[in-house]
Amino acid sequence: TQLLEQSPQFLSIQEGENLTVYCNSSSVFSSLQWYRQEPGEGPVLLVTVVTGGEVKKLKRLTFQFGDARKDSSLHITAAQPGDTGLYLCAGADDYKLSFGAGTTVTVRA
Amino acid sequence: GAVVSQHPSRVICKSGTSVKIECRSLDFQATTMFWYRQFPKQSLMLMATSNEGSKATYEQGVEKDKFLINHASLTLSTLTVTSAHPEDSSFYICSVSTGYNTEAFFGQGTRLTVV
Repeated sequence: TQLLEQSPQFLSIQEGENLTVYCNSSSVFSSLQWYRQEPGEGPVLLVTVVTGGEVKKLKRLTFQFGDARKDSSLHITAAQPGDTGLYLCAGADDYKLSFGAGTTVTVRA
Repeated sequence: GAVVSQHPSRVICKSGTSVKIECRSLDFQATTMFWYRQFPKQSLMLMATSNEGSKATYEQGVEKDKFLINHASLTLSTLTVTSAHPEDSSFYICSVSTGYNTEAFFGQGTRLTVV
C-alpha cells in the first residue's frame, strides 16, 4: 500500500491570506489528484497532475507536482471563505486511488 | 467527467436491520464503481470495487458478507449493510472513474446512523 501524507492536518487563516497544503509519498504514482470536500458532500475533483515538475493553475489555486512525482503542493492565493473545506490528495495506483488523510482548511471572514 | 447520484443522503436504522444504498452513474456507463467509507474529519477508506456483472473485490479487512455489493447494470451499484450495528454508523460514498488518469467522480454520500 502506498502511503500519502498530507500536512498540515488543520489550517485556519484570515480571508485574503495565502496558504499551502502539502502531499508527500514514498512512492511514485502514475498521476496525482486534488479534491475538495465540503461537509456532508462527496469530494469534487480540482485537478490532476501527471508529469513531474508540472504546474497547473485554477484561478487562485496553483498545483505543483514534484520532479520525482512523489510529492505535490496546493497553494491558494488570497483565500476566501468559499475555499473552506477538506482538501484531499489522491495517488493513482493501477485502477485504484489512495487518499491522503486530508487537510481541513478554514478561511475566516 | 461523470455525474453520480447516491441515494439516500441520510438514513437512520435500528440495530440488526439492513440498509441498502444506491449509486447511479447518470451519464456514463460504468463497468467499475468504488465504495468508500469515511469517518468524521478523516480521509476516505476504500471498501470495495464493484464490477458490473461479476463479484465485487473487497479490500483487506472489509467483511464481504456484511457489506453486500451488487452491480447488475452499467449505471447502478448498490451497497447493502446487513445486520447493522452502531459501529457501522459512518459516511458512505461511491465513485465512478471514467478511466482517464483514474479520476474519480463521487456521489453525494450517505450518512448512515445505526441506533
